[in-house]
Amino acid sequence: KAGVTQTPRYLIKTRGQQVTLSCSPISGHRSVSWYQQTPGQGLQFLFEYFSETQRNKGNFPGRFSGRQFSNSRSEMNVSTLELGDSALYLCASSLGPGTSGRSALAGELFFGEGSRLTVL
Amino acid sequence: QKEVEQDPGPLSVPEGAIVSLNCTYSNSAFQYFMWYRQYSRKGPELLMYTYSSGNKEDGRFTAQVDKSSKYISLFIRDSQPSDSATYLCARIQGAQKLVFGQGTRLTINP
Repeated sequence: KAGVTQTPRYLIKTRGQQVTLSCSPISGHRSVSWYQQTPGQGLQFLFEYFSETQRNKGNFPGRFSGRQFSNSRSEMNVSTLELGDSALYLCASSLGPGTSGRSALAGELFFGEGSRLTVL
Repeated sequence: QKEVEQDPGPLSVPEGAIVSLNCTYSNSAFQYFMWYRQYSRKGPELLMYTYSSGNKEDGRFTAQVDKSSKYISLFIRDSQPSDSATYLCARIQGAQKLVFGQGTRLTINP
């Protein structure tokens, strides 16, 4: 069973540009969440999508946005990039609600390897 | 105060040692906790989860929650070089949202 796939793995942008990151969840998983990981702040929740609807959002500015498609694939976008946006962006998938088993209740997330963004 | 706090380390121990990794949390109402392990250049993977208080054991790993002191611990027995990774504690806030600690970088020396 293929894991969570994120593209691109590495990218370099300059301040003011925008970036789009892509995430393909594990087959059958309907929930996709995004996290930002930096050395200073650690892993921070960005947002979560289920059935194309954003169900939860973290404390990030509106420059960070996302969406989910009908096939559960997700994209996140960061506009007007700032130096502080340099980070590893991790996508995680899970079955989501309405399913049986511990994964739906216990928050078992399956993470991809991340997209490492460097803003110059 | 952060919801979940964790000493970032780094922590370095010899192979075979017992490792103790710890986190504190701010609200005694928190119930579900998880430990994730993250190898270098990889995404985190779920190691163990616990509910409320008490111990949970899985092979060489034991997760412990002490509600009275708001303390979460992960013990690794007979540590191996392959256990070298960053260990993240987390609590479930809901709807697949996890609040993570800073992560502790652990190195097991052969």
